[in-house]
Amino acid sequence: DTGVSQDPRHKITKRGQNVTFRCDPISEHNRLYWYRQTLGQGPEFLTYFQNEAQLEKSRLLSDRFSAERPKGSFSTLEIQRTEQGDSAMYLCASDNSGGNQPQHFGDGTRLSIL
Amino acid sequence: KNEVEQSPQNLTAQEGEFITINCSYSVGISALHWLQQHPGGGIVSLFMLSSGKKKHGRLIATINIQEKHSSLHITASHPRDSAVYICAVYYRAGTASKLTFGTGTRLQVTL
Repeated sequence: DTGVSQDPRHKITKRGQNVTFRCDPISEHNRLYWYRQTLGQGPEFLTYFQNEAQLEKSRLLSDRFSAERPKGSFSTLEIQRTEQGDSAMYLCASDNSGGNQPQHFGDGTRLSIL
Repeated sequence: KNEVEQSPQNLTAQEGEFITINCSYSVGISALHWLQQHPGGGIVSLFMLSSGKKKHGRLIATINIQEKHSSLHITASHPRDSAVYICAVYYRAGTASKLTFGTGTRLQVTL
């Protein structure tokens, strides 16, 4: 069990650029979650996959955001035309459906928009 | 509205003190998480509980479902316990057990 890994750890980009983050969940986990955390706040739910299907999206996920999990393993989160307000920590977590086990979190990707 | 409130927001303690962090939520839940977040962002799950009490080392978590309240206790606190402690609850909504998070309690333990 290598845990949930996220890449990159930090991303600095200019406003208006596109960015893509990757999350590799624990291999046995079929559910994958994306959360966003701004400074001084708790994480907020963005979206969730079970296998390759995106089953739920938050209202926070504007049309500039898209997430995929094409083969039911790793996932990507893309933000197009980044804005200052997108600066945050993007966290990924995974777990298994049907069990009563906690979600396992990655270390997050910190996005800074200049 | 599904809300999770934590208190206190900030807590400073001296090494060895007994610490309590409180969490209240507004509607029925299926389970509650206590999480620890260190500077740099990584989140570690400490406890997941739906009733009663759990203990791991110096950490104890309790939950009272009727009162919609949970507490996290740290006995014999140590500077390495300094971190943000986050309460998160599972509300059964839609197709997933989504986590709704509190804003966290920032704990600083000094020598």
